Amino acid sequence: GQNIDQPTEMTATEGAIVQINCTYQTSGFNGLFWYQQHAGEAPTFLSYNVLDGLEEKGRFSSFLSRSKGYSYLLLKELQMKDSASYLCAALTGANNLFFGTGTRLTVIP
Amino acid sequence: NAGVTQTPKFQVLKTGQSMTLQCAQDMNHEYMSWYRQDPGMGLRLIHYSVGAGITDQGEVPNGYNVSRSTTEDFPLRLLSAAPSQTSVYFCASSYGQGTEPQHFGDGTRLSIL
Repeated sequence: GQNIDQPTEMTATEGAIVQINCTYQTSGFNGLFWYQQHAGEAPTFLSYNVLDGLEEKGRFSSFLSRSKGYSYLLLKELQMKDSASYLCAALTGANNLFFGTGTRLTVIP
Repeated sequence: NAGVTQTPKFQVLKTGQSMTLQCAQDMNHEYMSWYRQDPGMGLRLIHYSVGAGITDQGEVPNGYNVSRSTTEDFPLRLLSAAPSQTSVYFCASSYGQGTEPQHFGDGTRLSIL
């Protein structure tokens, strides 16, 4: 079966750095997505990793280790607007995207 | 650009009623999909389509039908609504296969009494 684990909630301070971890067990793994979802809104794409290593995109970075079934999303210079849920999703095969339950991040002043 | 448009935004149904949730995209995307989002369970794939005339089942397809007669539209039909189908439904599209980022609509909040 497919399984994705990520923390349910995290709290961090404005201006700080936070790392959101995701572990997965899937068959036919074909890459790992991160999406951001503000309360009551649609998810929006943040990153996609298919090879091992770190991908940096502005204040956000994403890391993947396929051998360990592990990914993390790193958010730097946190802003209040970063308060949202962060969804880890594994692509299995060509078209099946399997989501974790999401990590709700609260940024405090 | 409108992107992915879902209608209606809110709907209340009685058990046993049927309904079609509409989804349209204007980005000429080949891949479209439907998800439901429930508290504590994350997004779950219902059905998807890789192009006009082609559909396939996702993780939770029971109780739902889809069709893809055009590239732009991908309606989701509830044949006989049940309280267990109360959820937020998201439609998404992407340029190609699953490795491409998906663009989500704003969602339809459906309650079944």
